[in-house]
Amino acid sequence: DGGITQSPKYLFRKEGQNVTLSCEQNLNHDAMYWYRQDPGQGLRLIYYSQIVNDFQKGDIAEGYSVSREKKESFPLTVTSAQKNPTAFYLCASSGTTDTQYFGPGTRLTVL
Amino acid sequence: GQQLNQSPQSMFIQEGEDVSMNCTSSSIFNTWLWYKQDPGEGPVLLIALYKAGELTSNGRLTAQFGITRKDSFLNISASIPSDVGIYFCAGPFYLYNQGGKLIFGQGTELSVKP
Repeated sequence: DGGITQSPKYLFRKEGQNVTLSCEQNLNHDAMYWYRQDPGQGLRLIYYSQIVNDFQKGDIAEGYSVSREKKESFPLTVTSAQKNPTAFYLCASSGTTDTQYFGPGTRLTVL
Repeated sequence: GQQLNQSPQSMFIQEGEDVSMNCTSSSIFNTWLWYKQDPGEGPVLLIALYKAGELTSNGRLTAQFGITRKDSFLNISASIPSDVGIYFCAGPFYLYNQGGKLIFGQGTELSVKP
């Protein structure tokens, strides 16, 4: 089956620790995106990548880092510099159109 | 910056009623997308619109791309309990030398009473 996978579904970390969220897609899409969603809020763009080995900051990139070494993978690291990391994180990808397809999300809770 | 104004923010309706929500922008869009998000899940694409004036249906859902290209509407007919969720509109925004990204509305939260 083609799609986007995010793992794990739930993640707990202690304050001050870095944590990496996984996003993999087998849709052969060039572009990938990371969003953050807080309760009752819309989607805010963290980082996006139009092509392998290239990425751009979104609207709320501070405290986050990404890499795009492979077309299929776009991991997001939430660093200790992110002041309020507890949130629902969504990964998406898009191909030749603007339509983005989302993964199931990872809920990160920092204790 | 770019933003989409989506309304209403929330709706509480009775099962069987029709629902209408809309999205407006100060800028022109070439594509309008409508997504639904169930609690704790990622958004799922419902309808994609690519042409001004286009009217597209997906089961009980109908969406329209406004003639001015600055708005879009989503209607749900004969609502059922599984229609509960948050509905988002989205449109692409391009930055010079940085490719495209989607701008999202703030969402319409739909509650359906059986």
